[in-house]
Amino acid sequence: GAGVSQTPSNKVTEKGKYVELRCDPISGHTALYWYRQSLGQGPEFLIYFQGTGAADDSGLPNDRFFAVRPEGSVSTLKIQRTERGDSAVYLCASSPGTANTGELFFGEGSRLTVL
Amino acid sequence: AQRVTQPEKLLSVFKGAPVELKCNYSYSGSPELFWYVQYSRQRLQLLLRHISRESIKGFTADLNKGETSFHLKKPFAQEEDSAMYYCALSSWINRYSGAGSYQLTFGKGTKLSVIP
Repeated sequence: GAGVSQTPSNKVTEKGKYVELRCDPISGHTALYWYRQSLGQGPEFLIYFQGTGAADDSGLPNDRFFAVRPEGSVSTLKIQRTERGDSAVYLCASSPGTANTGELFFGEGSRLTVL
Repeated sequence: AQRVTQPEKLLSVFKGAPVELKCNYSYSGSPELFWYVQYSRQRLQLLLRHISRESIKGFTADLNKGETSFHLKKPFAQEEDSAMYYCALSSWINRYSGAGSYQLTFGKGTKLSVIP
């Protein structure tokens, strides 16, 4: 596809369960970002990958959150022992590379609801 | 630390009226600012960036470093302008010795509603 693809679009889970959210960036984009958007808030930075490595994971709220990008393309955001406060829309974005500042191409998001 | 403030959660204007969406920022370095827009049932997308000094869909935004503002303006609002608008600041973040990255910090957004 031409744009950033995220699956699932909606995920409902119970407190304490494990969740994986997938992001397929635009082909050739080396930079990949995860953001979290809670109700009434703007997107909040979680983690940034340049290629396969996490160049900046300072936005991850705690050690229950983890993300990987093993082959430098698809990324998975993993949340362990989910809590109700984790409910939000998780946005993935990609961009061509480090020299590019500001223009991110976003997916439609994965809406996570923790009951 | 960098911060972006959008003081209005909701802005309602009549079609044909002027629009100004406010954005203020706090950043110690040289800022790069952007406006992103999210139309109903669509993904978040870039509207314009200050370095381009461009007008997109009739919208313009001027960076005022003295007032640390980057307000978005349009002289005549159209119904299709109804959307969520987010102001964003790109800044270089040093995380570890010798490492860092650009980070995009968003405001909380303003919902623009254009009344027919």
